[in-house]
Amino acid sequence: AQTVTQSQPEMSVQEAETVTLSCTYDTSESDYYLFWYKQPPSRQMILVIRQEAYKQQNATENRFSVNFQKAAKSFSLKISDSQLGDAAMYFCAYRDAGNMLTFGGGTRLMVKP
Amino acid sequence: DTGVSQDPRHKITKRGQNVTFRCDPISEHNRLYWYRQTLGQGPEFLTYFQNEAQLEKSRLLSDRFSAERPKGSFSTLEIQRTEQGDSAMYLCASSLQAAGTQETQYFGPGTRLLVL
Repeated sequence: AQTVTQSQPEMSVQEAETVTLSCTYDTSESDYYLFWYKQPPSRQMILVIRQEAYKQQNATENRFSVNFQKAAKSFSLKISDSQLGDAAMYFCAYRDAGNMLTFGGGTRLMVKP
Repeated sequence: DTGVSQDPRHKITKRGQNVTFRCDPISEHNRLYWYRQTLGQGPEFLTYFQNEAQLEKSRLLSDRFSAERPKGSFSTLEIQRTEQGDSAMYLCASSLQAAGTQETQYFGPGTRLLVL
């Protein structure tokens, strides 16, 4: 079974600074997708960024970018120019042909003004 | 596009009672997923539908749980004889699976269940 591990239960960053959230996963598949979702307090989960495993280029969405290391099975999220609105739980998720998402345990990000 | 909606948003029930939750997916989305999220944890997959067909069920989905999507649009999740361990947030997500598109699951706000 696939597993997703987020080793940082909590992270803190100063407003306008950069922070990196870690994620590792375990799979024997070669074709799969990776996602970062954001879940603000008492609000619904929204997609931040996605990465296809067959693409070597790291995905980027405005201030959000990933460092995808397929051989190491690592998928970290970098948030640049952190804003107060970035404070949330961040979940790393994996999906293969089985369609369901497998989530990590989450990282709570706090942004200090 | 109004997004995925779920009803009710909160439910408090007594142990042993039955509860039913509803999910309305984004229109034209053919896939619908149910997940359960306990406090401080990531969501865990329960089941999913492609149109009206239930294609996969997790081992987490005991025989007290049943899900339907009768016309391939909205879905219901029923829990019979609720137990305190059923207390959690129940999340619904929908996606469009079609050739040439990137399938992404969009989540609803969830139904928070508390079993007393």
